Amino acid sequence: DTGVSQDPRHKITKRGQNVTFRCDPISEHNRLYWYRQTLGQGPEFLTYFQNEAQLEKSRLLSDRFSAERPKGSFSTLEIQRTEQGDSAMYLCASSLVSSGGGTDTQYFGPGTRLTVL
Amino acid sequence: GQNIDQPTEMTATEGAIVQINCTYQTSGFNGLFWYQQHAGEAPTFLSYNVLDGLEEKGRFSSFLSRSKGYSYLLLKELQMKDSASYLCAVKDSNYQLIWGAGTKLIIKP
Repeated sequence: DTGVSQDPRHKITKRGQNVTFRCDPISEHNRLYWYRQTLGQGPEFLTYFQNEAQLEKSRLLSDRFSAERPKGSFSTLEIQRTEQGDSAMYLCASSLVSSGGGTDTQYFGPGTRLTVL
Repeated sequence: GQNIDQPTEMTATEGAIVQINCTYQTSGFNGLFWYQQHAGEAPTFLSYNVLDGLEEKGRFSSFLSRSKGYSYLLLKELQMKDSASYLCAVKDSNYQLIWGAGTKLIIKP
């Protein structure tokens, strides 16, 4: 079990540029979540996938944000036309949900810190 | 609306015991989680409660009272490495995690 990994760990970009982040979940996990976190706040839900299906997307999420999980394994989060307000830590988490239920405990990756200049 | 309340910051002494409280008002309840987050790092899972009572795991224990919408995380024999933020999160009726803003715990020698 190598844990959840994210790439890159840090990204500095200029306002208006597009950025893409990658998340590789724990291999047997079927759910994958994306969150955004700013200093002194808890994680803010963005979207989540069950296998390759995107089941929910935050209503607060701008159309500039899009996420994919094409083969039900890794996922990408793209932000188009970045704004300074997008500066935050972007966290990915994965969990295993079985038909018998369970806790759905989410395990987080190290995050990608985005700075928009 | 949905709300999770935790103290913003707490200070405790190395070797002592500290209790971090969390109260919640959510649409439904399907479990409560505690996570630890060191500065600049990702949250790491500490505990899960879905039934009333105390769950003990080494130096850390977590308590839940569903009727009161209340939980606490108890940390014993505090160590300097316990300096971190502690996040309370509740799974609501839609099975989504609602997060508190976290409690920053400062340990002094």
